[in-house]
Amino acid sequence: DVYLLESGGGLVQPGGSLRLSCVASGFTFSDYAMTWVRQAPGQGLEWVSAISGSSESTFYADSVKGRFTISRDNSRNTVYLEMNSLRADDTAVYFCAKPIVATMCPDYWGQGTLVTVSS
Amino acid sequence: EIVMTQSPATLSASPGERATLSCRASQSVKSDLAWYQQRPGQPPRLLIHDASTRATGIPARFSGSGSGTEFTLTISSLQSEDFAVYYCQQYSNWPPFTFGPGTKVDIK
Repeated sequence: DVYLLESGGGLVQPGGSLRLSCVASGFTFSDYAMTWVRQAPGQGLEWVSAISGSSESTFYADSVKGRFTISRDNSRNTVYLEMNSLRADDTAVYFCAKPIVATMCPDYWGQGTLVTVSS
Repeated sequence: EIVMTQSPATLSASPGERATLSCRASQSVKSDLAWYQQRPGQPPRLLIHDASTRATGIPARFSGSGSGTEFTLTISSLQSEDFAVYYCQQYSNWPPFTFGPGTKVDIK
């Protein structure tokens, strides 16, 4: 079975930083791109970032470009999201997701980790 | 950026009824369209990918159709566990991947 477990969320002040982690199991991690999607309280889904299986390519939403960095460690089956210069509108549950092979359509999602940016 | 829209915003229906949800893309996404169900406090659950292919373990009462810019998710007979929010997402032209705003299916 595929499992994705996010961690690292919490309360942070505006301008602060946080690093999220997502540990994966149940599939050959290095064969898959991975993606982060967030959901602000009571709102819809917003794609944040994606990374190829080899880390060769990374992609970001305009709303986080220059502030967030996605990375992965295939030896630890883990994908990371380094978040800097956090703003109140970054407050959301952050989900990591694994796509269907050869597509970028997420088929498995973690339970999410809540990031709250507030003073 | 491809903009996804969904209608209606809320659909009120009774158990056993048929529900039809619509999703429209601002430009063609071919068949690179997914539907997700999200219950409160849960992550999204993939229902349909490639516009009409049910994901593993998804009941046959869920079906998807369409291509290009117009898509439909049909729930043939609503069960109590189907009352949730449904999102469409395109993965044809990215980045960014884009989601629709969602349709809430609630009990009439």
